[in-house]
Amino acid sequence: DAKTTQPTSMDCAEGRAANLPCNHSTISGNEYVYWYRQIHSQGPQYIIHGLKNNETNEMASLIITEDRKSSTLILPHATLRDTAVYYCIVKTGANNLFFGTGTRLTVIP
Amino acid sequence: GAVVSQHPSWVICKSGTSVKIECRSLDFQATTMFWYRQFPKQSLMLMATSNEGSKATYEQGVEKDKFLINHASLTLSTLTVTSAHPEDSSFYICSALDRFISGNTIYFGEGSWLTVV
Repeated sequence: DAKTTQPTSMDCAEGRAANLPCNHSTISGNEYVYWYRQIHSQGPQYIIHGLKNNETNEMASLIITEDRKSSTLILPHATLRDTAVYYCIVKTGANNLFFGTGTRLTVIP
Repeated sequence: GAVVSQHPSWVICKSGTSVKIECRSLDFQATTMFWYRQFPKQSLMLMATSNEGSKATYEQGVEKDKFLINHASLTLSTLTVTSAHPEDSSFYICSALDRFISGNTIYFGEGSWLTVV
């Protein structure tokens, strides 16, 4: 599976949009981009995933560049409960998920 | 999204004893489940992959005789830590793969804290 690069940490003001970038320049054509987050002392929570097209669900939006070498997770109105470590992962088929270090997002009141 | 449940959420056991952690997919069938371990302030590390009805595949450095994994049904996998020692104290997390979601989406349990004293 391709590896990803994310900033180590980010801050976001409560109520503002949080934009979390991810680089995956070696992604192959059949690899999906997944985003998970882990709140302290809990199991990772699935957020969203996509292949080529932008995706939106009740939690977030995923913007994938046309060349698929990078993506951005958008939390439209960040709350204090969104403070967590966010993991961007690329995955093929039924393979496991490889967790990097992720981005520690801190939502500031 | 799909629900994966782990039990127990936390357990304390004496050194030398064994402890079993269960992982259940509550609303979908999971032919593949994964077990991870996470030490404080570190990322998740894959321990093993289990496929229903077959032997688990362990990652390099994970002792298969110490961490027994059983995946006897499409909704249940168990991890047994045998002869536990204090260094086995960690956060153990399971996940299950839902093949009917595009991209084979994986959902995680809540995790189980193991403390060996």
